[in-house]
Amino acid sequence: AQSVTQLDSQVPVFEEAPVELRCNYSSSVSVYLFWYVQYPNQGLQLLLKYLSGSTLVKGINGFEAEFNKSQTSFHLRKPSVHISDTAEYFCAVTYYGGSQGNLIFGKGTKLSVKP
Amino acid sequence: ETGVTQTPRHLVMGMTNKKSLKCEQHLGHNAMYWYKQSAKKPLELMFVYSLEERVENNSVPSRFSPECPNSSHLFLHLHTLQPEDSALYLCASSQDLSLASGSQFFGPGTRLTVL
Repeated sequence: AQSVTQLDSQVPVFEEAPVELRCNYSSSVSVYLFWYVQYPNQGLQLLLKYLSGSTLVKGINGFEAEFNKSQTSFHLRKPSVHISDTAEYFCAVTYYGGSQGNLIFGKGTKLSVKP
Repeated sequence: ETGVTQTPRHLVMGMTNKKSLKCEQHLGHNAMYWYKQSAKKPLELMFVYSLEERVENNSVPSRFSPECPNSSHLFLHLHTLQPEDSALYLCASSQDLSLASGSQFFGPGTRLTVL
């Protein structure tokens, strides 16, 4: 069965510092990958997704992620974070040919940006 | 109202009560979802509806009963719940089940507490 591992449950970082949130998945087949963000008291919002093509994917709010098939990873990065980036971030995966109803989510990483 | 709305935002109920959660999407989407979000656990997909027909039921206890009367509305009827059912219940919608046609849009959730 597919699974997603977000290695860090919490990541504290200072404002304007770079950040990387790690995501690894377990699959021997081609996959689709997603990052969602959840701000306090809100639902999830899509940040970016990888379906095919370039392995470097750019999303909203200055975030980007790189698909690395050999390492089965899809780490999320931002070169300079803001206080407003404080939120919980979820990585999700589904297999090639899957649907919206087959997304497997990680447990989430709470990003805390300090002034 | 725009996007995906959920009511109520907070609900406290006893184990013998019957209540319903409501979700409404104003996006013209054809697929709708119920998720359960518990602390320190991955997001769990409960039900998927496409064109008002249930297409996924992930071994959810029968004390949770979904209803999709039309493509804009989704309900989750609750009865004889257990304290471990306390969680944030998220509703989402998407254009259809295809990953290529767009992502899921989430509502803000209903925070349910079962006493």
